[in-house]
Parts: sequence; structure tokens; C-alpha cells
Amino acid sequence: EAQVTQNPRYLITVTGKKLTVTCSQNMNHEYMSWYRQDPGLGLRQIYYSMNVEVTDKGDVPEGYKVSRKEKRNFPLILESPSPNQTSLYFCASSLRKRRGRGDTEAFFGQGTRLTVV
Amino acid sequence: QKEVEQDPGPLSVPEGAIVSLNCTYSNSAFQYFMWYRQYSRKGPELLMYTYSSGNKEDGRFTAQVDKSSKYISLFIRDSQPSDSATYLCAMGLFQGGSEKLVFGKGTKLTVNP
Repeated sequence: EAQVTQNPRYLITVTGKKLTVTCSQNMNHEYMSWYRQDPGLGLRQIYYSMNVEVTDKGDVPEGYKVSRKEKRNFPLILESPSPNQTSLYFCASSLRKRRGRGDTEAFFGQGTRLTVV
Repeated sequence: QKEVEQDPGPLSVPEGAIVSLNCTYSNSAFQYFMWYRQYSRKGPELLMYTYSSGNKEDGRFTAQVDKSSKYISLFIRDSQPSDSATYLCAMGLFQGGSEKLVFGKGTKLTVNP
């Protein structure tokens, strides 16, 4: 089954304690990205990756890091989480046929609900 | 002015009704337009995407883009209770080697049996 898998689904942590949210896709997609979804603000892109070793900032990258060492995995790293990073996080992947066109953002993960206290 | 505006609703309709969901945008550089459906506690799923002005139909769903008015719509015919979800519009452009993707805040739709 084609899917994007995020782990963990739920996480409560304390301020400053480094954490990683994993994202894996089994569709051999080139393009992967991370979003956060907040009430009243909608979905906002954090980082995206066009391919292995190619990453770029989205709209709200501050306080986050990513890496793309393999095509299937795109972990989101919070080096020093703060309460304002409490949010619902989504990873997404798509097969990009051409830059700027194609099945953009075709598959989203189930989400990771993060609470930072 | 926000780049993408979407009425959050909520919108409640009887089963079988035609539903119209809309978004406006301010950035004329957007190149492609999408609609996503998000059920409660789930990730968004892509419903429709299009690159040009005009209509695109897929079953009961029709996506409409009017670039001159900076306005996109999603129509749902013969709406079903299973269509109850939050619908997100999204717009993107690829420029200078990077991509910009902006989502609307979503419209919550309830279809009553």
C-alpha cells in the first residue's frame, strides 16, 4: 500500500529537549516536505526537499532542521523545542514529473501532534 | 492582504445539494491550483489540481480557476454525508529554483443526511 508514515503520532515533550519526527514514504517519490497546521493559520510549509541531499526552507523554517540522506526518509528535527512549536505536523511526498508541475503534494502522512510544555 | 483567503465556514448542506467552495488569492504569479480534503484526525488528501483557467471535472467534483479574477472554486454535485470534511485550497509557484506553496485555512463542510 502506497503511504507516508510518520512517527510518533503523538508526542509530549519539555522545552529544550531535542526531538526527531520521522517520515518515510514507500513510493520512490522525489519530493518531500513538512508542514505545520495551527488553528486559524492553516497549513504552513516548514521545509521541503526536491531530492536526496537537496533541501530548502519553506515559510516557517525557524527552529527546525531537516535532512534527506535517502530518498524514502525525511526526518524533522527540533534541536531545542519551545512551546510555540506545539502544533500538528504533516509530512508529504509526491512524484514530481517536472519542476513546478505534476502531482504536487499528492500524499500526506497521518500527522504528528506535538505538545511542548 | 493575505495571499490566499478562504472562508472557514462552517458550511452545512442537506444531502444531494450542490456545494460551492471558494478561494481568492492576491499573487498573480501562482502557477498551479489544488483542492484537498481533510477528514478529522487525518492528513489532507489531494482531490483536484489544475494549471490553467477553466474547469476541470472529476466525477462529482469540478474545479474552476479564473486567473483574471484571482478566484478558484470547487463544486461538489450530489453531495453525500461522506463528503463532510474540511476542504483546503492551495496554490503554488516555482521560481528561481525554489517552490512556494500556500494553503487556505480550510472550509469545514457538513452534509446532513
